[in-house]
Amino acid sequence: EPEVTQTPSHQVTQMGQEVILRCVPISNHLYFYWYRQILGQKVEFLVSFYNNEISEKSEIFDDQFSVERPDGSNFTLKIRSTKLEDSAMYFCASSAQGWGNEQYFGPGTRLTVT
Amino acid sequence: DQQVKQNSPSLSVQEGRISILNCDYTNSMFDYFLWYKKYPAEGPTFLISISSIKDKNEDGRFTVFLNKSAKHLSLHIVPSQPGDSAVYFCAASENAGNMLTFGGGTRLMVKP
Repeated sequence: EPEVTQTPSHQVTQMGQEVILRCVPISNHLYFYWYRQILGQKVEFLVSFYNNEISEKSEIFDDQFSVERPDGSNFTLKIRSTKLEDSAMYFCASSAQGWGNEQYFGPGTRLTVT
Repeated sequence: DQQVKQNSPSLSVQEGRISILNCDYTNSMFDYFLWYKKYPAEGPTFLISISSIKDKNEDGRFTVFLNKSAKHLSLHIVPSQPGDSAVYFCAASENAGNMLTFGGGTRLMVKP
C-alpha cells in the first residue's frame, strides 16, 4: 500500500541553525501539506502546496519557513533559523485532490531544538 | 482558538462493546469532516470521512454521524477490539479549503 515517508525520523539541532525536513508523498497525489504537533498540544496546519506553489498557509508559517518540491518526488520544509519553540513533531501529508479528499500522513519527524 | 473540540480526553470500553467518540465544532463554514487514529510515534492514520451533505457514513466497524444543526459529529466503533486502542482525532475543513483543523484527541482504551 502506498505511503508517505519522512526523513529523518529525529533531528536534533541548535538554536539558530537551519534544518530541512524531507518527505516523499504518495506518488499520484497532487496536494502536499505540512503540519506540526508540539508536545501535549493539537496537530496544527502549517502550509499546503499545489501546482508548485503555496495554496494556503497558517499564521505559524512565517518568513522563517519555506517549502519546496525540488524534484518529482520530494517535498521539503525548511526552517531557516530554528528557535526553541520550533521543537515539535512535523508531519507531512498528501492527498489526491484538495477539499473533500482524505489526507494521508507520514510517520513524522521529531525536531528537537537545543 | 478551539474551533474543533473533543471534550473527552479518554474513554475506556470493554472488548466487543460499542465505542462512541464525540467531537464538536464552532465554525459553521466547516463542511468536510474526518476521523484519524494515531498510535504513539506514528502519524495520524485516516479512518473515515463525511461531507456536510450527508448525516451518516459507514465503513465496516466504523460509522460517523454528523449533526449539522448541533455542530456535532461522532464516531461509533462496533464491536470494539483491543487493537482499536489509540488516540482518535476529529478534523474539519472549510469549503474549498485544504487545511485541516484538528481536535485535541480522545485516547480510547479497549480492555480485553
